[in-house]
Amino acid sequence: IAGITQAPTSQILAAGRRMTLRCTQDMRHNAMYWYRQDLGLGLRLIHYSNTAGTTGKGEVPDGYSVSRANTDDFPLTLASAVPSQTSVYFCASSADSGHSPLHFGNGTRLTVT
Amino acid sequence: GQNIDQPTEMTATEGAIVQINCTYQTSGFNGLFWYQQHAGEAPTFLSYNVLDGLEEKGRFSSFLSRSKGYSYLLLKELQMKDSASYLCAEVDSNYQLIWGAGTKLIIKP
Repeated sequence: IAGITQAPTSQILAAGRRMTLRCTQDMRHNAMYWYRQDLGLGLRLIHYSNTAGTTGKGEVPDGYSVSRANTDDFPLTLASAVPSQTSVYFCASSADSGHSPLHFGNGTRLTVT
Repeated sequence: GQNIDQPTEMTATEGAIVQINCTYQTSGFNGLFWYQQHAGEAPTFLSYNVLDGLEEKGRFSSFLSRSKGYSYLLLKELQMKDSASYLCAEVDSNYQLIWGAGTKLIIKP
């Protein structure tokens, strides 16, 4: 089934630990995105990639890094987790940036203690 | 920065019609999306408007007025399964999405 897969589904992480959230899509979409969603706030863009080999910073990039080595994979790394990074993280993809609808993964619920 | 405003919560009755409004800043506008998000799930695409007017898609319609910086999502013949949050998102001048905080729609029998 074509789509976008995130792992893990949920995670409890001690502050200061390193963590990589995985995201894979099989739709051959050019653009991929990482968002965080917090209660009462809209989705906030962390990092994005318009095409394989390129990445860009979104609205809230501090404390996060990404890579886009190929079309399918777009991992998000927290180098040293802090409690304020407790959130639900959504990976998304679209055929191209701008006018194409986003397809979202099921999300990763991360708790940093 | 750009602001997207939509009501925090709305309540409607099963079988009725509800209109969810969204206002945005007009500078650098490149389109507007509506997404549906059930509790604990990912957002799913509902509609996209870039020109003025009404786009109808079954029970759901979306309207855009670019001069007023205004859009609405119209849901007809409401069903209990329509209970969800509805997210408005503007495509800005850099072709990035600016998201509203979402409108939680509660459907009562």
